[in-house]
Amino acid sequence: DVKVTQSSRYLVKRTGEKVFLECVQDMDHENMFWYRQDPGLGLRLIYFSYDVKMKEKGDIPEGYSVSREKKERFSLILESASTNQTSMYLCASSAWERYAEVYSNQPQHFGDGTRLSIL
Amino acid sequence: AQSVTQLGSHVSVSEGALVLLRCNYSSSVPPYLFWYVQYPNQGLQLLLKYTSAATLVKGINGFEAEFKKSETSFHLTKPSAHMSDAAEYFCAVRQSYNTDKLIFGTGTRLQVFP
Repeated sequence: DVKVTQSSRYLVKRTGEKVFLECVQDMDHENMFWYRQDPGLGLRLIYFSYDVKMKEKGDIPEGYSVSREKKERFSLILESASTNQTSMYLCASSAWERYAEVYSNQPQHFGDGTRLSIL
Repeated sequence: AQSVTQLGSHVSVSEGALVLLRCNYSSSVPPYLFWYVQYPNQGLQLLLKYTSAATLVKGINGFEAEFKKSETSFHLTKPSAHMSDAAEYFCAVRQSYNTDKLIFGTGTRLQVFP
């Protein structure tokens, strides 16, 4: 089974702090994602990475950055935390079917989430 | 652009009753569709996915979904609800044919009463 591990289940930080959320996957997946989940809004994509050192902005990248130095690890960084970044953060990974060289219907596999509170 | 609409943010059923969670999509290309379930304090778990091989897709825990192109729908059903089905359910569509990014619906919370 694919295992996506997020470093913290619960995190409390103060406004203005630099916050790091870590995610590790053990299935050699090319793609990794960071989402935030808020009641009534579903999941919104913050950033996406399709290879080491490669990244793409999602729908709500403002106030966030990411780092992918190794294939298995994808970090989300809140440069200067604000109270409106209090949320549930979910990491996911997925495979790219190399033989087809197209994205197929491979599902995304999710971690258990980090509930982040900014005070 | 692709989009997903889940009708009903909350659905309540009695144990043993039919579960029907609605999902309508908008897609300019043949869609890749998914249903995920989220139990309290957990991440999302794949229930089933539409592969275009069959319009009726069977998933885990007795759930199934039917793809109806004419209605642009992919509703999730289960003949008999169990207490353990209480969770939040998300429908998702792949953003385009050449990306792995998904667009999620806003979710439907299922409550099951004894």
